[in-house]
Amino acid sequence: ETGVTQTPRHLVMGMTNKKSLKCEQHLGHNAMYWYKQSAKKPLELMFVYNFKEQTENNSVPSRFSPECPNSSHLFLHLHTLQPEDSALYLCASSQPGQGYGYTFGSGTRLTVV
Amino acid sequence: EDQVTQSPEALRLQEGESSSLNCSYTVSGLRGLFWYRQDPGKGPEFLFTLYSAGEEKEKERLKATLTKKESFLHITAPKPEDSATYLCAVSLNSGGSNYKLTFGKGTLLTVNP
Repeated sequence: ETGVTQTPRHLVMGMTNKKSLKCEQHLGHNAMYWYKQSAKKPLELMFVYNFKEQTENNSVPSRFSPECPNSSHLFLHLHTLQPEDSALYLCASSQPGQGYGYTFGSGTRLTVV
Repeated sequence: EDQVTQSPEALRLQEGESSSLNCSYTVSGLRGLFWYRQDPGKGPEFLFTLYSAGEEKEKERLKATLTKKESFLHITAPKPEDSATYLCAVSLNSGGSNYKLTFGKGTLLTVNP
């Protein structure tokens, strides 16, 4: 257990479905992140939230919609996805100035069929 | 454009055979360089943070070093349980209180018994 919990661990969805990924941290961190990890590619930053406010949207398609109701919870709402969106979606949190970067969750393995 | 390049892409070692992984970066305003370990199906796990050229950090069989243009992760007498993907990331002085991590593609290390 890393302190950042992601659910579900695995998700298979059709292109017309709507689903949500959940991330929860109880580390007292003020920033939370969504990353996408695809095979043979570096981790791609999707969204950054700082004190519940979105501070970065890295040109992510609108079929991905983040929500951060408080500093401990982060959601990624999915709708009308494409097969190329299949990937490992990682949530992370951090506390500025502590020097150990991010604490990652175990990820949600998403397959779009 | 800021860039992080890791080499080799994959490395296969015999148990006890020491070697090094490389992470080179071309960024302006480096705030820190991070090493992570990622096991299959899991999120990255923090290993080290390095801040300035000449800095070194050690943990068990791993030692990380930093110069102005690259970092090395030295693995001494590796064991099969050291098999994983090792990720390098840099954080930049982005002007805010939080920071983004830019990742390399990783090096897949396999240690055979």
